[in-house]
Amino acid sequence: QSVLTQPPSASGTPGQGVTISCSGSTTNIGTNYVYWYQQLPGTAPKLLIYRNHQRPSGVPDRFSGSKSDTSASLAISGLRSEDEADYYCATWDGSLSGWLFGGGTKLTVL
Amino acid sequence: EVQLVESGGIVVQPGGSLRLSCAASGFSFGDYTMHWVRQPPGKGLEWVSLITWDGGSTYYAGSVRGRFTISRDNSKDSLYLQMNSLTTEDTALYFCVKDDGFHIHYYMDVWGKGTTVIVSS
Repeated sequence: QSVLTQPPSASGTPGQGVTISCSGSTTNIGTNYVYWYQQLPGTAPKLLIYRNHQRPSGVPDRFSGSKSDTSASLAISGLRSEDEADYYCATWDGSLSGWLFGGGTKLTVL
Repeated sequence: EVQLVESGGIVVQPGGSLRLSCAASGFSFGDYTMHWVRQPPGKGLEWVSLITWDGGSTYYAGSVRGRFTISRDNSKDSLYLQMNSLTTEDTALYFCVKDDGFHIHYYMDVWGKGTTVIVSS
């Protein structure tokens, strides 16, 4: 059971939008930045969103992140088949003095 | 281009020990904090440990504290993870990950492809 809670699955059709949530607490999301990683099948994770809403160069603006209090969200608009992947939120936890990952959300593009 | 290449993953018996290595290139290794993250088969990501750029500070997940030791050799651009008292719960793909922070600890940005550790009798 992860300290950061994500829905195990999400789905959408091509062109649609989808939002993935990540819920934590005051010691982690509430006081630290949130990061999102995309893991395509059989590959290593890739940084998708940093510092709540910033996109690394090369990440399409179809991907956006937000944070409010102790929760964060990743929104993907204009779904494409290549977006089918596992998505993980992550943040530092000051109480544990360590990084936390959410349990991951498997996105299916129908 | 940043490259991180892990090695050392094998099949080991419960209670055994193992040392993983990560060879870094394409950046000034000695200026960046580094992490180990693992992923059990079919499961999610678990952060394992980090070491600051100068080796002066280390942090560990509760599940490995006291059994695993992270270290680095900046003269060899290499990161290590010494794993002792291994259990079947440690079976996973282990990733070496570069931090974004220059002389500071920020967040994980570039990942290696991983090396597989299997703990089994």
